[in-house]
Amino acid sequence: EDKVVQSPLSLVVHEGDTVTLNCSYEVTNFRSLLWYKQEKKAPTFLFMLTSSGIEKKSGRLSSILDKKELFSILNITATQTGDSAIYLCAALYNNNDMRFGAGTRLTVKP
Amino acid sequence: EAQVTQNPRYLITVTGKKLTVTCSQNMNHEYMSWYRQDPGLGLRQIYYSMNVEVTDKGDVPEGYKVSRKEKRNFPLILESPSPNQTSLYFCASSERADTQYFGPGTRLTVL
Repeated sequence: EDKVVQSPLSLVVHEGDTVTLNCSYEVTNFRSLLWYKQEKKAPTFLFMLTSSGIEKKSGRLSSILDKKELFSILNITATQTGDSAIYLCAALYNNNDMRFGAGTRLTVKP
Repeated sequence: EAQVTQNPRYLITVTGKKLTVTCSQNMNHEYMSWYRQDPGLGLRQIYYSMNVEVTDKGDVPEGYKVSRKEKRNFPLILESPSPNQTSLYFCASSERADTQYFGPGTRLTVL
């Protein structure tokens, strides 16, 4: 069965901490791995990863994909309260099927 | 402004009363998709469409219908809603199937 599993489900940190969010996947004919951030509204796109070992970076956020071990991580350095959100990863596979993980709820305390 | 719009944003209805949630995008995207989001389950794909008149089932298509008569619109139809379809629904669009832009969501309650 195709699946995407995120861990941890929930995480509480303090401002300035560094966090690592995990996403593992088992899907047929994998194409890409995507990360989204969801605050109180619709998810917004963060990264798309297609190739192994190539880090994508945007400010304090970075992500990398390991296609051999079938996982991706999202790193956030020097966290801020504005980083509090649900982080979703999704695998694009087969023709155009998209499967999301359950998400990691990150809370950053001042 | 590039956007995906959904209507209504909130809807309370009763079991069995047909309803349609509209979705429209102004980015000329070929790919559109519907998701439902439930606590602890993340986003689950209901249907998607690669282009006009082309639709495919996602993970949870039962109880839903879609149509893609025009490129910009992708309505979600619940012919006979049931309480287990109470959920938060998102429409999304993209040029390909990857970096999707999401609409604001429709919160549906079926009594």
